[in-house]
Amino acid sequence: QKEVEQDPGPLSVPEGAIVSLNCTYSNSAFQYFMWYRQYSRKGPELLMYTYSSGNKEDGRFTAQVDKSSKYISLFIRDSQPSDSATYLCAMKASGTYKYIFGTGTRLKVLA
Amino acid sequence: SQTIHQWPATLVQPVGSPLSLECTVEGTSNPNLYWYRQAAGRGLQLLFYSVGIGQISSEVPQNLSASRPQDRQFILSSKKLLLSDSGFYLCAWSAPGGLLYEQYFGPGTRLTVT
Repeated sequence: QKEVEQDPGPLSVPEGAIVSLNCTYSNSAFQYFMWYRQYSRKGPELLMYTYSSGNKEDGRFTAQVDKSSKYISLFIRDSQPSDSATYLCAMKASGTYKYIFGTGTRLKVLA
Repeated sequence: SQTIHQWPATLVQPVGSPLSLECTVEGTSNPNLYWYRQAAGRGLQLLFYSVGIGQISSEVPQNLSASRPQDRQFILSSKKLLLSDSGFYLCAWSAPGGLLYEQYFGPGTRLTVT
């Protein structure tokens, strides 16, 4: 079993839709959670980062962590064609240097 | 603000040739540095990380090596490339200590071994 599971997609939605991207994990020691956006042939760009459980909002993006269910989500409101990219989740345990990544979900927002 | 550079951006090398990819970080001191490889349609594979000058941890035994000759410089090398070394190589940094945990990536180097 992988430490982090992420549906590879592709996920296709119409412009303006609310997008929900998710990751599940198995290691209860993970405390730091991140979401990255990666455009084709580019490096990943850090979108959101959260510590432990709860919600964090930044503009159209909301990151949600449910440690009891070992489940994290990224919501994108009013999705735009420019949001079309691969979204990677990442997580880290306290006291470690290694980050564990999901394989990424490819999102397509259709105009 | 901090920036991270990688070069070259693209590279085409024949099998058996040597490799040297460079990564530098500006605007921070004593960063943790990382090399990842991303194969087409696959996730990020951690290759090496470094928490200080001369300190290298290897995650995957293979024909690649890494060095950190200066505080903000991280180099990925190979003496003889294999076809399987093709991929997108990403350098990343995170702040030292435990107060900040975000990791930031460079623009990447696309390596094709022919």
